[in-house]
Amino acid sequence: AQSVTQLGSHVSVSEGALVLLRCNYSSSVPPYLFWYVQYPNQGLQLLLKYTTGATLVKGINGFEAEFKKSETSFHLTKPSAHMSDAAEYFCAVSDRISGTYKYIFGTGTRLKVLA
Amino acid sequence: DAMVIQNPRYQVTQFGKPVTLSCSQTLNHNVMYWYQQKSSQAPKLLFHYYDKDFNNEADTPDNFQSRRPNTSFCFLDIRSPGLGDAAMYLCATSRALETLRGQYFGPGTRLTVT
Repeated sequence: AQSVTQLGSHVSVSEGALVLLRCNYSSSVPPYLFWYVQYPNQGLQLLLKYTTGATLVKGINGFEAEFKKSETSFHLTKPSAHMSDAAEYFCAVSDRISGTYKYIFGTGTRLKVLA
Repeated sequence: DAMVIQNPRYQVTQFGKPVTLSCSQTLNHNVMYWYQQKSSQAPKLLFHYYDKDFNNEADTPDNFQSRRPNTSFCFLDIRSPGLGDAAMYLCATSRALETLRGQYFGPGTRLTVT
């Protein structure tokens, strides 16, 4: 069964510093991987996704992630944190079900950006 | 703009009193999902509709039901809410063959049970 593990439920960085949020996956088939962001009292918004092809994926708001099969990882990075990046981030892997797909979410990482 | 709308954004119900949460979409997506998200936890899939076909997750309690009267609307019914059902409920949509492009989420309904 597919699963994802997010290391670190809380991460704090200074404004302007590198953001690194970790995600490791377990999948019996080539995985499709996603990062979502959730702001307080809002739904989830897709940041970026890896399906096939280039292993370095660029998303919105300056975020990117690299798929590393050898490490079963899909870590999310941003070179310079902004105050507006403070939110909860979820890594997810897709799982095929009855003609479509569902997502298995990690437990989330809450990012705090310090002024 | 095409979107996923959830009403109400905040719902308070009494212990044991049935409650219905609403989701509508203007995306014309054929798949609609309901998730339960408790505080500081990952969203947990309750069930989804693929067109009119209902697909329940194995561990979804019988207390939770869903209806999809047409493509645009989907409802979550909680027959007898318990205190443990207090959570954020998220609706999401996708096109079946394009799900790998990502799901579109509504803003959620926060349910409080008193």
